[in-house]
Amino acid sequence: QVQLVESGGGVGQPGGSLRLSCAASGFTFSSYGMHWVRQAPGKGLEWVAAMSYDGKREYYADSVKGRFTISRDNSRNTLSLQMNSLRSEDTALYYCAKDPYGNTWYADFWGQGTLVTVSS
Amino acid sequence: EIVLTQSPATLSLSPGERAILSCRASQSISSLLVWYQQKPGQAPRLLIYDASKRATGVPARFGGSGSGTDFTLTINSLEPEDFAIYYCQQRSNWPVTFGQGTRLEIK
Repeated sequence: QVQLVESGGGVGQPGGSLRLSCAASGFTFSSYGMHWVRQAPGKGLEWVAAMSYDGKREYYADSVKGRFTISRDNSRNTLSLQMNSLRSEDTALYYCAKDPYGNTWYADFWGQGTLVTVSS
Repeated sequence: EIVLTQSPATLSLSPGERAILSCRASQSISSLLVWYQQKPGQAPRLLIYDASKRATGVPARFGGSGSGTDFTLTINSLEPEDFAIYYCQQRSNWPVTFGQGTRLEIK
C-alpha cells in the first residue's frame, strides 16, 4: 500500500534553514508527480510546491518562491523540500502528497506530516 | 490567483440528515474541483475529484456536483464518522488553491 513518511521537521530560527524529506513506498515513485502542502496550526491548507514525475518541472507558491526548493531522487524514492530564509509564517505541519498521475495538481495520498516551527 | 469561497463556515447537523456544502470559485474552473475530508489530527483524505468522481473507497453517500464557478458536496444520511472539516481545491490554474474549509459538526 502507498506510504509517505515525512521527516526533518523541528525548530528553525528566523532566517535559518531546514530540509524536509519524504520517503515513498508502495507505488512506482518515478511515475507520479509529488507535492508539499502545509497547514499552519488551526488553519487551512496551503499548497507549497510541486514537482513533475521526472523532476523536470517545479512549481512554487508565491509565498515561498525563491526561498524553498523542491527536489526528488527517483532512484531512492525520496522527495525533499529545502527551506531557506525561514520566516515565522512558515510555521506549519508540512505534508508530502502524491499526485494520482504525472501532473494533475491534486493528491490522492498524503503522509502524516512533519511539524516545522520557526522561532528564535 | 483563483479564490475559492466555501459556505457555510460551520454546519451543525444530526446523524442521518443530509449535508450540503458549497464551494464557489472566483472564475470558471470547468470541472477541475476536488474535495477533501480532514479529521482532527489526521491528514486530508481525497473524496471527490473532477467535481463529481468519487475516489476509491469513498462511500456512495458522498456526491459532488457543479461546474464553472459553483460546486456542491452532498453527504446523504450522515454517519458519525462524517463529522469533520471539508476543503475544496481547484486544479485549473497554478497556484493551486484551497477553500477555507467547512466544519461539519454534530448538532
